[in-house]
Amino acid sequence: SAVISQKPSRDICQRGTSLTIQCQVDSQVTMMFWYRQQPGQSLTLIATANQGSEATYESGFVIDKFPISRPNLTFSTLTVSNMSPEDSSIYLCSVAQQGTEAFFGQGTRLTVV
Amino acid sequence: DQQVKQNSPSLSVQEGRISILNCDYTNSMFDYFLWYKKYPAEGPTFLISISSIKDKNEDGRFTVFLNKSAKHLSLHIVPSQPGDSAVYFCAASDGAAVNKLTFGGGTRVLVKP
Repeated sequence: SAVISQKPSRDICQRGTSLTIQCQVDSQVTMMFWYRQQPGQSLTLIATANQGSEATYESGFVIDKFPISRPNLTFSTLTVSNMSPEDSSIYLCSVAQQGTEAFFGQGTRLTVV
Repeated sequence: DQQVKQNSPSLSVQEGRISILNCDYTNSMFDYFLWYKKYPAEGPTFLISISSIKDKNEDGRFTVFLNKSAKHLSLHIVPSQPGDSAVYFCAASDGAAVNKLTFGGGTRVLVKP
């Protein structure tokens, strides 16, 4: 299985600011995804990070709020823009190879005050 | 509209006994199902999966059963151990995007010594 490193592991941010979360994988992977887990809720897919092209967003998520980059097959970033307290969540990077199960990073716990 | 539901938010079981976790889904396009375990401050860890062409898959102490007609799956843990205490998520995907997962709400399992 791939080793996934997410940075930062946690942060407390002021409302109206933006935070960029990094996901680094120790090997090239076909697919990378970003999920959100709001307090007391399940995991919800935000978007699929596509290498060299724009991310594919799920219903309810937009690029202006959650811009995503994926410059190569081992790295992706998720930015949470213009944050409000409702953005307080755990954000998780997930990776998979074709035909294998998805693996998750340890998550970034974001608190917006 | 929750497409994957885990109706039991929590489960308490004695060490050595069987833990049974249940999951229901509504989307008939789902054909691949997974169980993940999550400890606090960690990302979900893959446990076991099952394809819709099977009705049972076993891996050590973990067995997943799938009843397609009832759109129901269950995870059996035998025997339960204190280290199994965690939140368990059921997840599903369709063949078009096998690693884009729809998660249930999770079941918190407590195994008492």
